[in-house]
Amino acid sequence: EADIYQTPRYLVIGTGKKITLECSQTMGHDKMYWYQQDPGMELHLIHYSYGVNSTEKGDLSSESTVSRIRTEHFPLTLESARPSHTSQYLCASSDRVSTGELFFGEGSRLTVL
Amino acid sequence: AQTVTQSQPEMSVQEAETVTLSCTYDTSESDYYLFWYKQPPSRQMILVIRQEAYKQQNATENRFSVNFQKAAKSFSLKISDSQLGDAAMYFCAYRRGSKSTFGDGTTLTVKP
Repeated sequence: EADIYQTPRYLVIGTGKKITLECSQTMGHDKMYWYQQDPGMELHLIHYSYGVNSTEKGDLSSESTVSRIRTEHFPLTLESARPSHTSQYLCASSDRVSTGELFFGEGSRLTVL
Repeated sequence: AQTVTQSQPEMSVQEAETVTLSCTYDTSESDYYLFWYKQPPSRQMILVIRQEAYKQQNATENRFSVNFQKAAKSFSLKISDSQLGDAAMYFCAYRRGSKSTFGDGTTLTVKP
């Protein structure tokens, strides 16, 4: 079992609410990622970080923001949720060694009404 | 940009039989990594098998093996002696540096 945790697992909120999806890992990994995944579909990278105070936007444009103040923590925030944000969000991490394996959290399934 | 293509949206296999999932990719690089990940329903995505592009020998992990054809840019996954627990969505992924590119996934059904 990988030591990477996401909360909440499931969230149903109304339009306009601010939400933060939490992601923490205890493996000391430098690199962390957020992917968006619609049901039965491919993963799209929306944010990544190579270390503390380093964040970059991914391949898929997203209205969310991220921060990396501590190595183990990589939260994703939506300032004003909309129905188009309904999706599953997967957090992942990898270490500095270039074997490149990603360790995934269990995902946060967000529904915006 | 690298692309990864999984041409089989859905596959099914009888329990104890063998199934092969296809994956092709496009890259101009010579040094990279390829992966197969498994995502069971409502569960965590986990690594199934990894292949380093510089290695000619195909990777094997118990019942899982790959057929890596570097020149053809093909990376198929063979699952032998399929079990009910193998039912999941399988993603092929390419990685060079710190970013990964995923295919669309193949949903595998295992029939008892």
